[in-house]
Amino acid sequence: TQLLEQSPQFLSIQEGENLTVYCNSSSVFSSLQWYRQEPGEGPVLLVTVVTGGEVKKLKRLTFQFGDARKDSSLHITAAQPGDTGLYLCAVEMDSSYKLIFGSGTRLLVRP
Amino acid sequence: GAVVSQHPSWVICKSGTSVKIECRSLDFQATTMFWYRQFPKQSLMLMATSNEGSKATYEQGVEKDKFLINHASLTLSTLTVTSAHPEDSSFYICSARGPRGNTDTQYFGPGTRLTVL
Repeated sequence: TQLLEQSPQFLSIQEGENLTVYCNSSSVFSSLQWYRQEPGEGPVLLVTVVTGGEVKKLKRLTFQFGDARKDSSLHITAAQPGDTGLYLCAVEMDSSYKLIFGSGTRLLVRP
Repeated sequence: GAVVSQHPSWVICKSGTSVKIECRSLDFQATTMFWYRQFPKQSLMLMATSNEGSKATYEQGVEKDKFLINHASLTLSTLTVTSAHPEDSSFYICSARGPRGNTDTQYFGPGTRLTVL
């Protein structure tokens, strides 16, 4: 079983629509990160959430960390084709600092 | 910002040969580097943690004799896929962690696509 389950696995929407991506776990984390990866490239960090209930905004992207620090969501408002990519949540494990990634959500925004 | 490079960006090799992939932190010293593997349409899977001057720590199920990792300096880690087979074809990504101000952050390389014929 995957430590971090993301849903949906794949999302195809029209430009201008809103969407929400979820990252769920049964474990509690001290922090959680969101990345976006484009084909043939490495992932790029979007945000790190640390406090339970925390909400962070990055332009049209809104990230929320669950109150119990077990889950997180990413909401995109008025999606654009440039938002297309693989969205990954990740958590840092113990003192080794290694990152464990979620299963990923592949987003396609059609013009 | 911090930059991590990988070389080569893509490589094609014959089955049974060995391939070396380099990961470099260009403008900072990386105390720890990580190697990930990503199969098509899947997420990143951690393979090993590489600490400068010591042996790498491999994740469960990753063969250390097949995936040799060397972290000889604070700016370079190498991953050698020995006796490569078609099932080793994948996208290999490294990340480097190093102190940056008061916050330690991981920076990812652009990846290396390995195709084994």
